[in-house]
Amino acid sequence: EIVLTQSPATLSLSPGEGATLSCRASQSVSRFLAWYQHKPGQAPRLLIYDASNRATGIPARFSGSGSGADFTLTIRSLEPEDFAVYYCQQRSNWPPTFGGGTKVEIK
Amino acid sequence: EVQLVESGGGLVQPGGSLRLSCAASGFNFKSYWMSWVRQAPGKGLEWVANINQDGSVKYYVDSVKGRFTISRDNAYDSVNLQMNSLRAEDTAVYYCTRESSSSDYYFENWGQGTLVTVSS
Repeated sequence: EIVLTQSPATLSLSPGEGATLSCRASQSVSRFLAWYQHKPGQAPRLLIYDASNRATGIPARFSGSGSGADFTLTIRSLEPEDFAVYYCQQRSNWPPTFGGGTKVEIK
Repeated sequence: EVQLVESGGGLVQPGGSLRLSCAASGFNFKSYWMSWVRQAPGKGLEWVANINQDGSVKYYVDSVKGRFTISRDNAYDSVNLQMNSLRAEDTAVYYCTRESSSSDYYFENWGQGTLVTVSS
């Protein structure tokens, strides 16, 4: 199965700063990669699919890029509600797999 | 508004059984693949199983094959996960998810989750 490695494990930033999260796949997943946001006690939320398409209702400050094995989620200017754990997920090869997550915490 | 509400979690002994249910509302349930995804304590997310629109096609991650059974009832807009021969490593929060209609295995909507604890 495809292993997704996310880095860094934790990102300590202040509101208003930009965030860059990385996801690397053990083999090419083409552009079949999604990003999710997960806050404690809440349902995870789909942010990005097919590497760069924002899901319905997702603010424009969230953007995704990459293809093959290297992907990036960028949050342009962190809002207080953006502090959460972010997961990448691939659907290129069965079974679908998730990365270990990056926690974006308030500095 | 899409809503997915899980129920049925709890404490069970190793080797025991549990049945999770997910009540769906706010969308045409019979038109979507549905999945269960779990998260063990302190760990990442893991896809567990999914089922197609009419319940005729089901897939499972290897670690639960032969022990878990996914099913759905389109008359009642619900999807279930029957879990048998439970092990400590099945301890997790289990999320019911709706897959994207255009791209399978993207999880567009999630429930809040139900906690399953396997312990003696």
